[in-house]
Amino acid sequence: GENVEQHPSTLSVQEGDSAVIKCTYSDSASNYFPWYKQELGKGPQLIIDIRSNVGEKKDQRIAVTLNKTAKHFSLHITETQPEDSAVYFCAASVGYGKLTFGQGTILTVHP
Amino acid sequence: NAGVTQTPKFRVLKTGQSMTLLCAQDMNHEYMYWYRQDPGMGLRLIHYSVGEGTTAKGEVPDGYNVSRLKKQNFLLGLESAAPSQTSVYFCASSEAGGNTGELFFGEGSRLTVL
Repeated sequence: GENVEQHPSTLSVQEGDSAVIKCTYSDSASNYFPWYKQELGKGPQLIIDIRSNVGEKKDQRIAVTLNKTAKHFSLHITETQPEDSAVYFCAASVGYGKLTFGQGTILTVHP
Repeated sequence: NAGVTQTPKFRVLKTGQSMTLLCAQDMNHEYMYWYRQDPGMGLRLIHYSVGEGTTAKGEVPDGYNVSRLKKQNFLLGLESAAPSQTSVYFCASSEAGGNTGELFFGEGSRLTVL
């Protein structure tokens, strides 16, 4: 089955800096790669996703890049703000919405 | 519009006891899922359903059973709870299956097995 590795497990940045989280996946059949944000005491919420026919996607301060040859994808957050502090999960899907999640990254943005 | 609602939010069980977690969604979604979340392991799929009356095993199905008798509800059962089942459980639903489709998650149910 699919295996998704996520790094780093924790990330601490100053407000205004950029943050980058990286994931690798194992199944070349995966073709959908979402990113979820989980705030304390809440369920994960989709923030951005990318499909295998696209190399990069941007939505305001967040962007995701995908390298299918190398089987890795990354989340980029620019101009970080304290409200970006949360746990971020990458995921990969081979079908039926069954997502395989990475281990999560705890992002802390210091004012 | 409540979205995905899980009950109960917290539960403490003794080893060997049984319980059922209830998930209800009001978005008319076809697909529903149960995940468990453990520190350092992300979310792992327990069981899922692609429609009323259907269920299928996910990555970590052992020790759990599920039922989808009504489209809006997805029940997760533990017949004989074990300490290894201490976790936070998340239910999710999605409008479409295949390789796309946003998952909408509930707020989680924290289960402790003593």
